[in-house]
Amino acid sequence: KAGVTQTPRYLIKTRGQQVTLSCSPISGHRSVSWYQQTPGQGLQFLFEYFSETQRNKGNFPGRFSGRQFSNSRSEMNVSTLELGDSALYLCASIQGAEQYFGPGTRLTVT
Amino acid sequence: QKEVEQNSGPLSVPEGAIASLNCTYSDRGSQSFFWYRQYSGKSPELIMSIYSNGDKEDGRFTAQLNKASQYVSLLIRDSQPSDSATYLCAVNRNYGGSQGNLIFGKGTKLSVKP
Repeated sequence: KAGVTQTPRYLIKTRGQQVTLSCSPISGHRSVSWYQQTPGQGLQFLFEYFSETQRNKGNFPGRFSGRQFSNSRSEMNVSTLELGDSALYLCASIQGAEQYFGPGTRLTVT
Repeated sequence: QKEVEQNSGPLSVPEGAIASLNCTYSDRGSQSFFWYRQYSGKSPELIMSIYSNGDKEDGRFTAQLNKASQYVSLLIRDSQPSDSATYLCAVNRNYGGSQGNLIFGKGTKLSVKP
């Protein structure tokens, strides 16, 4: 059974640009969540999607958005990038109460 | 008050010893509790989940939950150098319905010395 896949694995962007990250959950899982991990703040919840609907949202500015498609694949978008957006972005595939993380996308904003 | 607190460590134990990792949480309504292991440069890996008071054992790992005292612990028996990693405690208020909002501690760095 394939795990969670995230693309791309690494990204370098400049301030002001926007970026789109993609996540495919474990086959059969319909819910995904996104997290940002930084050395200073640790792991912080961004949002959760279930059956194409955002079910929960963390305390991040509106520049962070996401969506989910009918095949459960999810994307998150960050517009007008800031230096502080440099982080590891993790997608988790949810089954019941348990969450299984993908390898993450390392975003560097210069 | 931080929602989920862990000692940042580093916690250093000799090979073969028991490593004890602790976590406290502030939300009394929390329902589900998890331990993740994260190797340097990698993503977190779920190693234990616990939902009711008491102990839960899985191989060399034992998770302990005490809701009255609002703490969760992880014991690693017969520690191996390969257990050297950062261990993240995560808590979720919900049980059923929305499960996405895990609250994480900052993690405890464990070092197992050969």
